[in-house]
Amino acid sequence: SAVISQKPSRDICQRGTSLTIQCQVDSQVTMMFWYRQQPGQSLTLIATANQGSEATYESGFVIDKFPISRPNLTFSTLTVSNMSPEDSSIYLCSLAPGQIKDTQYFGPGTRLTVL
Amino acid sequence: GQQLNQSPQSMFIQEGEDVSMNCTSSSIFNTWLWYKQDPGEGPVLLIALYKAGELTSNGRLTAQFGITRKDSFLNISASIPSDVGIYFCAGQSGGNEKLTFGTGTRLTIIP
Repeated sequence: SAVISQKPSRDICQRGTSLTIQCQVDSQVTMMFWYRQQPGQSLTLIATANQGSEATYESGFVIDKFPISRPNLTFSTLTVSNMSPEDSSIYLCSLAPGQIKDTQYFGPGTRLTVL
Repeated sequence: GQQLNQSPQSMFIQEGEDVSMNCTSSSIFNTWLWYKQDPGEGPVLLIALYKAGELTSNGRLTAQFGITRKDSFLNISASIPSDVGIYFCAGQSGGNEKLTFGTGTRLTIIP
């Protein structure tokens, strides 16, 4: 399966600032996604990162708060904007390689703490 | 929206014991996936199920896709210390790639 890396692996940020998280895959993939995992909770899909077009956001998530870019088939970024302590979570990117039906693989995650 | 309920929420077992956990949904899924997440890591795919009734094994792990397409279970035989972690089920429906995750089962092995 593809190797997925995320940067940074963790960060501590001040309220009101923004953080951009990068997700890099070592091969071209069709579908990439961004998830949030709040402390002690399960994973919730934020959006589907579409290559060359605007991301598709899930209910409860908006572009102004979580802008996403996907300039090519191997790279995507998620920005957490105007952060508050409630944004403290693990943010994970995932990919669906397309060759294997409906399978998704996850990156190592970015652990964000907002003070 | 769709919800996936996993049970039990947590398990405390001794090394060598067998483990069973399940996942139930209020709606039908076309695919069931089981993941394991270690602290500080992303979820790792364990088993994927694509057909109702399908029974699939991966080493000591066995998972089944329920006939009703609204449930799935995961069994772990002869547990070992590295089995400790959080297990998540995830379902996919409707022909798109989006996954809905279960609430998770935390497995702890008592020395």
